[in-house]
Amino acid sequence: AQSVTQLGSHVSVSEGALVLLRCNYSSSVPPYLFWYVQYPNQGLQLLLKYTTGATLVKGINGFEAEFKKSETSFHLTKPSAHMSDAAEYFCAVTGSNTGNQFYFGTGTSLTVIP
Amino acid sequence: DVKVTQSSRYLVKRTGEKVFLECVQDMDHENMFWYRQDPGLGLRLIYFSYDVKMKEKGDIPEGYSVSREKKERFSLILESASTNQTSMYLCASSPLGRGGNQPQHFGDGTRLSIL
Repeated sequence: AQSVTQLGSHVSVSEGALVLLRCNYSSSVPPYLFWYVQYPNQGLQLLLKYTTGATLVKGINGFEAEFKKSETSFHLTKPSAHMSDAAEYFCAVTGSNTGNQFYFGTGTSLTVIP
Repeated sequence: DVKVTQSSRYLVKRTGEKVFLECVQDMDHENMFWYRQDPGLGLRLIYFSYDVKMKEKGDIPEGYSVSREKKERFSLILESASTNQTSMYLCASSPLGRGGNQPQHFGDGTRLSIL
């Protein structure tokens, strides 16, 4: 079975500071991992994904994430936060035995302080 | 770009009404999904479909049904709306991939209030 844990339902950072949003997963098969962003009153938008290959994945808006199998983690980072990064972020996992069903974390709300 | 369109952004209905939420995607995707999103609970899968006229229950199907008569359209039906179904509803679609390696594409959501 697959599941996702996002540590910290709320994270606040200063503008220009490092953004680190944590995601740990559980999977009985090699996972596929995704990060999505949700702005207020909108749907989810794909930030980046890991399926196979390079473990450091670059996404849109300067975000990146690193798949660490030994730590079962897929943390999302951005070197310098911008006011426009304030949003809800969701980590999701799926795998070869789930068909196309995704398992989402409960989300992390990012606040950027000017 | 993939476009997933949900018919209403905001909807207010009364307890006991039959409610239809419509979703259309324009990329010929095989898979379509309905989620509800509640604060602190993330996204929970209600139903999904891999093909026309095919449906599978997700984690919370009780009180809901779905219809997929055409590939591009996936409808969520609340048979008899109740106040605990007040929520944000999100539709998503994805192409057929190998073991879930394709991302899901989301609509903007329908915020449904049941009075």
